[in-house]
Amino acid sequence: SAVISQKPSRDICQRGTSLTIQCQVDSQVTMMFWYRQQPGQSLTLIATANQGSEATYESGFVIDKFPISRPNLTFSTLTVSNMSPEDSSIYLCSGAAGSNTGELFFGEGSRLTVL
Amino acid sequence: AQSVAQPEDQVNVAEGNPLTVKCTYSVSGNPYLFWYVQYPNRGLQFLLKYITGDNLVKGSYGFEAEFNKSQTSFHLKKPSALVSDSALYFCAVRDGGSYIPTFGRGTSLIVHP
Repeated sequence: SAVISQKPSRDICQRGTSLTIQCQVDSQVTMMFWYRQQPGQSLTLIATANQGSEATYESGFVIDKFPISRPNLTFSTLTVSNMSPEDSSIYLCSGAAGSNTGELFFGEGSRLTVL
Repeated sequence: AQSVAQPEDQVNVAEGNPLTVKCTYSVSGNPYLFWYVQYPNRGLQFLLKYITGDNLVKGSYGFEAEFNKSQTSFHLKKPSALVSDSALYFCAVRDGGSYIPTFGRGTSLIVHP
């Protein structure tokens, strides 16, 4: 299975600032996703990162707040813009190899704390 | 539409005893079912999946899960729990037409020495 590297692994940020999380996969993947995991809660899908085009956002998430790039099949970034304490969460990058019977594989997550 | 229910927030079991973590699902088509484990401060790791075939599937670290179509369940099991199995476990379901799974809320497994 592919290995996903995320950075930063954790950060403490000030209210009103923005932070970009990077996700690098060691092999080409068809699908890449960004999830949010708030404390004590399950995973919520933010968006599907599409190569070379705009990401597909889930209900409740918008591009202005969470801009996503995916310039190629192995790399994606998620920016959390104009952060507030409510954005404190773990952000997870995940990928799928392409078969719709396949499992997802995940990065280690980026734990953001907004003060 | 697809959904997953993990009815237990926490499961406690003594080391050496069998463990079960429950999961029920709802999908409109054929279900693709998955279990993932999350250790503290880590991402999710894939444990096992059911796509088709035998109802009992075996996965990593000695875990297995049984697909029960009539009860729409996919419970995770292990014959003998280890303290190192203590973690957060997520069940996920996808119908055959979607690449995107729906995750349950997670069950915290605590194995006591």
